Amino acid sequence: DPKIIQKPKYLVAVTGSEKILICEQYLGHNAMYWYRQSAKKPLEFMFSYSYQKLMDNQTASSRFQPQSSKKNHLDLQITALKPDDSATYFCASSQDREYEQYFGPGTRLTVL
Amino acid sequence: AQSVTQPDARVTVSEGASLQLRCKYSYSATPYLFWYVQYPRQGLQLLLKYYSGDPVVQGVNGFEAEFSKSNSSFHLRKASVHWSDSAVYFCAVSIGAGGADRLTFGKGTQLIIQP
Repeated sequence: DPKIIQKPKYLVAVTGSEKILICEQYLGHNAMYWYRQSAKKPLEFMFSYSYQKLMDNQTASSRFQPQSSKKNHLDLQITALKPDDSATYFCASSQDREYEQYFGPGTRLTVL
Repeated sequence: AQSVTQPDARVTVSEGASLQLRCKYSYSATPYLFWYVQYPRQGLQLLLKYYSGDPVVQGVNGFEAEFSKSNSSFHLRKASVHWSDSAVYFCAVSIGAGGADRLTFGKGTQLIIQP
């Protein structure tokens, strides 16, 4: 059974719209993350949460807003979508004081 | 800020041959080091990690990596590759701040296995 679920697997959006990417982890981890992988840039860190609190934010744009409704959930809301937002977005999680992160299968977002 | 360099964008190896994928990091202290593998259209899977101690660490599927403090490197090796090893390999570092510490990735090395 998959331990980190990301929904949807594929997503197509129009410029200017808003989408929410879903992430749920069933590893019992307390830290969760979002990363982005695009053709133009390598894997880059976006956000980290620990016990549902924002720990680190490397995303310059406020259009990207993480949302943690439950301890094992970290969704990503993206508003005013642009074609440059097209990428695969990976959710990851880790245990408190350990450092290896486990990744979900990703959501591939295409903005037209 | 820390950075990770994987100098080889693509490496081609014959099946059964040995492999080395290179990784160098830039950070004032010794970071925590990782290798991940990404198969086509999948997420990243952790191959191995280095925190401290023995500089040679063993991972899954016969992979190992060697940490060198003097060279700021963490190269990945495998004695005999299999066609199923074809994938993209990422080296990553964490500064070990604890808790939800970010990973910084290299650009990845695509490994191609020739029959």
